[in-house]
Amino acid sequence: KNQVEQSPQSLIILEGKNCTLQCNYTVSPFSNLRWYKQDTGRGPVSLTIMTFSENTKSNGRYTATLDADTKQSSLHITASQLSDSASYICVVRSGGYNKLIFGAGTRLAVHP
Amino acid sequence: DTGVSQNPRHKITKRGQNVTFRCDPISEHNRLYWYRQTLGQGPEFLTYFQNEAQLEKSRLLSDRFSAERPKGSFSTLEIQRTEQGDSAMYLCASSLSLGTGGLQPQHFGDGTRLSIL
Repeated sequence: KNQVEQSPQSLIILEGKNCTLQCNYTVSPFSNLRWYKQDTGRGPVSLTIMTFSENTKSNGRYTATLDADTKQSSLHITASQLSDSASYICVVRSGGYNKLIFGAGTRLAVHP
Repeated sequence: DTGVSQNPRHKITKRGQNVTFRCDPISEHNRLYWYRQTLGQGPEFLTYFQNEAQLEKSRLLSDRFSAERPKGSFSTLEIQRTEQGDSAMYLCASSLSLGTGGLQPQHFGDGTRLSIL
């Protein structure tokens, strides 16, 4: 069964600190992996898209890594800000028609 | 702002009533998707259109659900005889097919939150 699992479920950090979110997937066939940020009550917003040949991709203070051999990805947030408080969702595209399989997300709270 | 627009943002209705949601995608996007998201979970795929053709439907899309995209622009999602379990956020997304191996991001609207009394 195609699955995307994320850890931790929730995380609290202080403003200015770094954090790393984890994603493990069992999806076949694998096309690409995406990280989305979802603010409460809003739709998800794309942060990064990585193919199996890419190990690292950055978007500002967000850096995603991908290990296609172990089927693991991580999202590292540097120098966190209050506005980083949101759910971060790992998404794997499998097969055609842009079919996306979503993880349940990690809820991040950044406190002052 | 020319992002994905969804209406209404909130809908409260009694069990057994019919509801219809509308999605206006980004104008040049030829692909449109509907998802359902419940609290604490990631979105679940419901259905997908390329232009006006509905190319894929999830098993989650029971006979009470129907989606249309009549002119390849806006789309509607109708739920007939609503049930308590239909309470969720219904998200619409759009993307542009460029033949680049699916590397185009899906742009999401802010969803319609449905509450069944």
